[in-house]
Amino acid sequence: SQQGEEDPQALSIQEGENATMNCSYKTSINNLQWYRQNSGRGLVHLILIRSNEREKHSGRLRVTLDTSKKSSSLLITASRAADTASYFCATDARGSQGNLIFGKGTKLSVKP
Amino acid sequence: ETGVTQSPTHLIKTRGQQVTLRCSSQSGHNTVSWYQQALGQGPQFIFQYYREEENGRGNFPPRFSGLQFPNYSSELNVNALELDDSALYLCASSFGTGRQETQYFGPGTRLLVL
Repeated sequence: SQQGEEDPQALSIQEGENATMNCSYKTSINNLQWYRQNSGRGLVHLILIRSNEREKHSGRLRVTLDTSKKSSSLLITASRAADTASYFCATDARGSQGNLIFGKGTKLSVKP
Repeated sequence: ETGVTQSPTHLIKTRGQQVTLRCSSQSGHNTVSWYQQALGQGPQFIFQYYREEENGRGNFPPRFSGLQFPNYSSELNVNALELDDSALYLCASSFGTGRQETQYFGPGTRLLVL
């Protein structure tokens, strides 16, 4: 079963615009991670935010976490065509043995 | 590049056959997790191996089995293949278990069952 749900399922923007993706989850977590996947290949880790953190930045990425609403958002600023990919949130649920639970992903298309 | 490698990259099998997928973990990592990703879905956890022992299992039948070797590389075996087993199989390596930090994923093996 899948813990998280990303929203929207698909997003199409122009280069230079910002892209925001949201993720909701169901159970208490230790941390939440965002991954990127290009064309059905391997997953690339983008950023990890712990349950006691509210916001984290990495380059053009900004992640927020609201544990009271069980939700997170990923903001990509000044998007580029190379950002075109699927983005997944994954939670490390409390009580688990560290396996990640993924949502279905948001498919981002950035048009040049 | 994460340093995690998987073989083969693509595989075609027929229903009822058996398949073995391989994964070499990143240097220094002792934990390997396997995930199945159906088309258009997120990855689903199959199982995890830590120091050659199974250390957790998702909702997959016993015909999905695995091994981890002393060098921490790993195999995923699937018996009696079914059409629904067609998917991208991803392995991920990390150091330690429990409250894991980042898992580093390989490029995946795409399995097609006819």
